[in-house]
Amino acid sequence: GEDVEQSLFLSVREGDSSVINCTYTDSSSTYLYWYKQEPGAGLQLLTYIFSNMDMKQDQRLTVLLNKKDKHLSLRIADTQTGDSAIYFCADISGGYNKLIFGAGTRLAVHP
Amino acid sequence: EAEVAQSPRYKITEKSQAVAFWCDPISGHATLYWYRQILGQGPELLVQFQDESVVDDSQLPKDRFSAERLKGVDSTLKIQPAELGDSAMYLCASSLGTGSGETQYFGPGTRLLVL
Repeated sequence: GEDVEQSLFLSVREGDSSVINCTYTDSSSTYLYWYKQEPGAGLQLLTYIFSNMDMKQDQRLTVLLNKKDKHLSLRIADTQTGDSAIYFCADISGGYNKLIFGAGTRLAVHP
Repeated sequence: EAEVAQSPRYKITEKSQAVAFWCDPISGHATLYWYRQILGQGPELLVQFQDESVVDDSQLPKDRFSAERLKGVDSTLKIQPAELGDSAMYLCASSLGTGSGETQYFGPGTRLLVL
């Protein structure tokens, strides 16, 4: 079945850029998503990219998509302590908009 | 801003007991999803409704889990009997429809601990 994989942990210094990577197996994915989860909370949609795009920028967030390698990345510019959270990559599976999530990347931002 | 509501936020129960979770989607959203998130993992879809009909329950352990959305609005997920391995966060999400790319909006979740 479809699979989404992410590295589990990333530590960055405040003010630096963070890059969170994700790989997926479903070559027919049409949309790919990034969600953020703070401790004990639900998931907050950060951004998404349509499969015919290579890049999408939204304020401090930049999403890059390499369809050939099935690789997705999320870059957060000027990372702040409030960005500390778990970031999930997800893609759409099947005909009913079912999301397949990776295990999440825990981002730790230190002074 | 409209949000998905869930209750309770936390639930502690003993194994073999019955538990129920409630979800109220964003008004006008026809599609409702229940996901289970085990600690350290990403959410996994348990069941998906389009209005009051189930469109995907392939990952729902039907011997103990049940879900309903009788009037096509709010929904209840039930576990009976609860087992230790059911300890997890149960997330509800909604979207306008099931079209590819319809954004799913998540509620705050119900954290279940089975003792």
